[in-house]
Amino acid sequence: AQKVTQAQTEISVVEKEDVTLDCVYETRDTTYYLFWYKQPPSGELVFLIRRNSFDEQNEISGRYSWNFQKSTSSFNFTITASQVVDSAVYFCALWGGSQGNLIFGKGTKLSVKP
Amino acid sequence: SQTIHQWPATLVQPVGSPLSLECTVEGTSNPNLYWYRQAAGRGLQLLFYSVGIGQISSEVPQNLSASRPQDRQFILSSKKLLLSDSGFYLCAWTQRERDTQYFGPGTRLTVL
Repeated sequence: AQKVTQAQTEISVVEKEDVTLDCVYETRDTTYYLFWYKQPPSGELVFLIRRNSFDEQNEISGRYSWNFQKSTSSFNFTITASQVVDSAVYFCALWGGSQGNLIFGKGTKLSVKP
Repeated sequence: SQTIHQWPATLVQPVGSPLSLECTVEGTSNPNLYWYRQAAGRGLQLLFYSVGIGQISSEVPQNLSASRPQDRQFILSSKKLLLSDSGFYLCAWTQRERDTQYFGPGTRLTVL
């Protein structure tokens, strides 16, 4: 069965703190894709990153970084020096080769306070 | 570049009334299209997806239906709304199954 677990329901930090959002996935497929999306208060889901199962290199984009570890089935997302504009719900998602659709985690609500 | 539109942005409807939400994609052809619902608990629930005109797959049996009358148009409908239909409805597109899904701005539906 395919599953995505985001154990952190809500996280609150103060501006400039670093914060890591956890994502653990389950799949029996050898080829799969992992995603992170951001949902600001406006509601639209904004795509952040896509990673395939054969690429375990960590990725950095500005203040955002992603740590993909197949050994622990995790794809964690770190925001460095958080800002108020980072306040949103963040979703991790999985597309496995044997399924036709994207499986989403339940999301982590991040609140960054000034 | 591709863009995805949804309308209306917000909708307040009485119980038992019909529903029609529209989603259109520009800048691509033969996309896969998806309808999701997000209830107050934040989780995303896939309702329908379509790989082509007239081809609809339903993920969750309920009083909603979907249609794809044109290549880049996806419509979500109901003949009689229930209170439980309230939520945030998101349309998404992708070129192929494993590609990134891109989402529209969403429609916030309140059924009273």
